[in-house]
Amino acid sequence: DGGITQSPKYLFRKEGQNVTLSCEQNLNHDAMYWYRQDPGQGLRLIYYSQIVNDFQKGDIAEGYSVSREKKESFPLTVTSAQKNPTAFYLCASSILTRGEQFFGPGTRLTVL
Amino acid sequence: EDKVVQSPLSLVVHEGDTVTLNCSYEVTNFRSLLWYKQEKKAPTFLFMLTSSGIEKKSGRLSSILDKKELFSILNITATQTGDSAIYLCAVEAPSSSNTGKLIFGQGTTLQVKP
Repeated sequence: DGGITQSPKYLFRKEGQNVTLSCEQNLNHDAMYWYRQDPGQGLRLIYYSQIVNDFQKGDIAEGYSVSREKKESFPLTVTSAQKNPTAFYLCASSILTRGEQFFGPGTRLTVL
Repeated sequence: EDKVVQSPLSLVVHEGDTVTLNCSYEVTNFRSLLWYKQEKKAPTFLFMLTSSGIEKKSGRLSSILDKKELFSILNITATQTGDSAIYLCAVEAPSSSNTGKLIFGQGTTLQVKP
């Protein structure tokens, strides 16, 4: 089955801790994306990557970091510098020449 | 600044009603407009529109794009409770550094009551 997986589904974190969200795809897509979704605000782009070992900041990158060591994997780290990290995080992937992005099931992060 | 605006933000209807969701946009370098349905987790793809005036249809859902007036509508006829979801509109507006850039609207939350 081809698709995108994210883990964990739910994550709780204490203030001041870094946490890493996993995103894996087996669609052979070159591009991968991380979005944050808050109520009433749609999806906002955090980081994206179009090729292994390269990534770019999106609209709200402050307090986040990513890596792209393998084509299939694009983990997101939410650092303690992110002031309001409680949100729903979605990972997506696409082929480079087409706009349609495929989404994973998301990770709901709650900071206690 | 590129932006995508959806209206209404929320909507409550009864089964069997017809609904129209709106999406307007202001972007540079428009390539396509996409509609997604999000039921609790992953948004699922509905339509991609690139040309004005050509309706895309899938069952009870249909959508059309007007590139002159910069908007799109998503119609759902004979609504069912299973249509309850957030409907997301996104515009593909590639930049020199991001060929796949999508700009999302706020979403319209549709609730269909039995």
